[in-house]
Amino acid sequence: EAEVAQSPRYKITEKSQAVAFWCDPISGHATLYWYRQILGQGPELLVQFQDESVVDDSQLPKDRFSAERLKGVDSTLKIQPAELGDSAMYLCASSFGGPNSGNTIYFGEGSWLTVV
Amino acid sequence: AQSVTQLGSHVSVSEGALVLLRCNYSSSVPPYLFWYVQYPNQGLQLLLKYTTGATLVKGINGFEAEFKKSETSFHLTKPSAHMSDAAEYFCAVRWMDSSYKLIFGSGTRLLVRP
Repeated sequence: EAEVAQSPRYKITEKSQAVAFWCDPISGHATLYWYRQILGQGPELLVQFQDESVVDDSQLPKDRFSAERLKGVDSTLKIQPAELGDSAMYLCASSFGGPNSGNTIYFGEGSWLTVV
Repeated sequence: AQSVTQLGSHVSVSEGALVLLRCNYSSSVPPYLFWYVQYPNQGLQLLLKYTTGATLVKGINGFEAEFKKSETSFHLTKPSAHMSDAAEYFCAVRWMDSSYKLIFGSGTRLLVRP
């Protein structure tokens, strides 16, 4: 069964350093999402792509976070500089249809970030 | 503002007992509704979803949920809990407005006692 691939699974970084996460969605899925899940809470959408275009990045802290999906396939989420409050799991997800469809959103295993 | 409320951050049941996890959402506009399960240190797996049609939806692992528009609810049930059901469960709602944003509840951790 096709899966959303994410790496690294675990990352420990020092405050003020840069960190990046990579995501490869399920083949053919045009919509890609990055969510942040703080321990004990539900996932919160950071950014949503339709192909290579950003559809929604209203909750992305743009002073330190950036996301790109240059060729409309895989994507990178970057944090620079990392802050202690960024410690969380970063989930990538993808879906076949656009955001206005009821298509299932498939999640990757997540990337755990600990900022020390 | 759009919101999703899951009543009870922790629910404990005995093995074999009924599982009931509650989810309510804020708007009366018919949305798309989802339940996801998350096992420790893993991503989210879809249990079931409601988009249109029959309001009683059956999912994987014996779970089902019923969309009740008048109550703006989408509660998750399973007749008989199994030890392997112990996990975190998230209700998620996608509103069919300009945002189409998928918003999650805060989650309910299900504990299953032997």
